[in-house]
Amino acid sequence: GAGVSQSPRYKVAKRGQDVALRCDPISGHVSLFWYQQALGQGPEFLTYFQNEAQLDKSGLPSDRFFAERPEGSVSTLKIQRTQQEDSAVYLCASSLEGGGGLTEAFFGQGTRLTVV
Amino acid sequence: GIQVEQSPPDLILQEGANSTLRCNFSDSVNNLQWFHQNPWGQLINLFYIPSGTKQNGRLSATTVATERYSLLYISSSQTTDSGVYFCAVEETSGSRLTFGEGTQLTVNP
Repeated sequence: GAGVSQSPRYKVAKRGQDVALRCDPISGHVSLFWYQQALGQGPEFLTYFQNEAQLDKSGLPSDRFFAERPEGSVSTLKIQRTQQEDSAVYLCASSLEGGGGLTEAFFGQGTRLTVV
Repeated sequence: GIQVEQSPPDLILQEGANSTLRCNFSDSVNNLQWFHQNPWGQLINLFYIPSGTKQNGRLSATTVATERYSLLYISSSQTTDSGVYFCAVEETSGSRLTFGEGTQLTVNP
């Protein structure tokens, strides 16, 4: 596609509910990233894929967070048993290559998650 | 991990004024990007500038990698320039971007 697409744009979840956030990267982009942005702060890294391989998940805040990219294209970020502190904007980014190559990252519009 | 500091945290300008935003980082980087986050939350790519100088219309950026800083210049500011400007760097040891806290720019008519 022309840009990184994320869905849904907004999600309201009751505490304890599971949610799934989708990211459709730019076609042909090898690298895919998830970031979390709290209100008034800069985005913070969650996890990184190169094709279907999850190479870095060190930013995931707990084992309730899980991400996958099974066919090396679309990715899903899943949050189980949501809690109020999970409320944030979740941003997805993709880049053509990774690891010191063509690494300019392009971001989607984000999913604003509110846990009530 | 690498530290990224942006200054000033807030900036208020009158339309037509010029400004300089600064980004300092604590270690060598593969990549440095400047973004504008618009009121709808979208991060818009401004510059991909690990070193050197680039210009795009009223905006220009300079990165001095050896001294670990980058500057974003905005000339003849317009109200549509309002929003948060982020600097983000990619460490040489990895692929993730580390963001600064941003500069909140308000341009008044």
